This record gives sequence, structure tokens and C-alpha cells, in this order.
Amino acid sequence: AQKVTQAQTEISVVEKEDVTLDCVYETRDTTYYLFWYKQPPSGELVFLIRRNSFDEQNEISGRYSWNFQKSTSSFNFTITASQVVDSAVYFCALSPRGTYKYIFGTGTRLKVLA
Amino acid sequence: DVKVTQSSRYLVKRTGEKVFLECVQDMDHENMFWYRQDPGLGLRLIYFSYDVKMKEKGDIPEGYSVSREKKERFSLILESASTNQTSMYLCASRAVLNTEAFFGQGTRLTVV
Repeated sequence: AQKVTQAQTEISVVEKEDVTLDCVYETRDTTYYLFWYKQPPSGELVFLIRRNSFDEQNEISGRYSWNFQKSTSSFNFTITASQVVDSAVYFCALSPRGTYKYIFGTGTRLKVLA
Repeated sequence: DVKVTQSSRYLVKRTGEKVFLECVQDMDHENMFWYRQDPGLGLRLIYFSYDVKMKEKGDIPEGYSVSREKKERFSLILESASTNQTSMYLCASRAVLNTEAFFGQGTRLTVV
């Protein structure tokens, strides 16, 4: 079975706190791709990152960082020094190689309080 | 920048009406998608199109149909709208398999 689990339904933090959003996936495929998207209140999903299963290097982009661990089937997303503008729903998604589908998690709603 | 445009942000329709949701992308992408988003359920795939006039059913196609007569346009049709189709509908496009998809701003449809 292929599945993406985002166990945290909603997280609230105070501005400037660090926050980690968890993503755990299941797949039997050896080659697959993982994604993170941000959905602000405006509604449009915004692409954040794509990672293939052979690249386990962590990635940092400004205040955002991603930790991919194949051994635990996790692809976690950390926001450092959170800001109110980070308030959104964040989705993790899996796409096995050669398939057209994305398997989305149910999303984590992040509220950053001023 | 890739632009995916959905024709309406908000729609209110009556039960039994035929409803058309339009989506246009400007990046010559091969693949286009229609998703439905409901609280607690995430995004569920309704239909996928991999080329003009080609389509695949997604996870929840019942009550919906699609049309892709031109590469840039992908339409979702509710043949006879029902109240359980009240939802947020998201269109997306992507260049090729396993790359990232780009989403429209969503259409919030209410069926009364």
C-alpha cells in the first residue's frame, strides 16, 4: 500500500519559535519522489520542494529545511524562526516513479501567533 | 512563472444543475489534474489527463466527467450537482511524470 501520514492535524506556535512538521510515507517502490506544498489562506497550493529517493541529503532554503530519512520513511520539514506569514496548511506528497499519481497526506495546519 | 487559472473562485449552484469548472494553464504542460479538497481528507484525485482527449479516472470519479479538447484547458463537469459535491476543487498541471505540479487558486463550490 502507498500512503502518506501527517499525524499532526494542527500546530500552534509563537512567532520566532522553530517548528517541525512530520511526514511518514509507505511505499514498496525503490524509486519515488517526495514533495512538500504550502497552502496559504488564499487557497493555491505552492510547491516547496521535490526530493527523489536516492538523494538523502538534507536541504536548507532560508528558514526552511528538510530532513529525509529513508530508514524511517520520513521526510520532515522544519521552519526556523517562524513568522506569521508561515501560517498555512502544509501537505506532504509521494509519487512513485512511473506513476501519474500523487499520494497526499491530510495536511498539517500551522498557526503562527504574533 | 507557471500560471494555472481556474475560472471561478466561488460558485453557488442548485441541486440538479450541470456545472462546469474550467481550468487553463499557460506552460504547455502535458498533464493536468482535478482534485477535490475536504477537511480531514486532504486532496483526492477526481480525474487526470495525460494528453489532449486522454483521461484516467482518479480515486473518486463518480458524479464527475472531464473534457480536454485543447492542451491548455481541462474542464471538470458535474452532470447533476448534488449537495455532497459541495467542496473546494483544485486544478493542477505538470510537465512530465514525477515532477512537481502547479496548482490553481481553487474553486469553492457550494451546492444548495
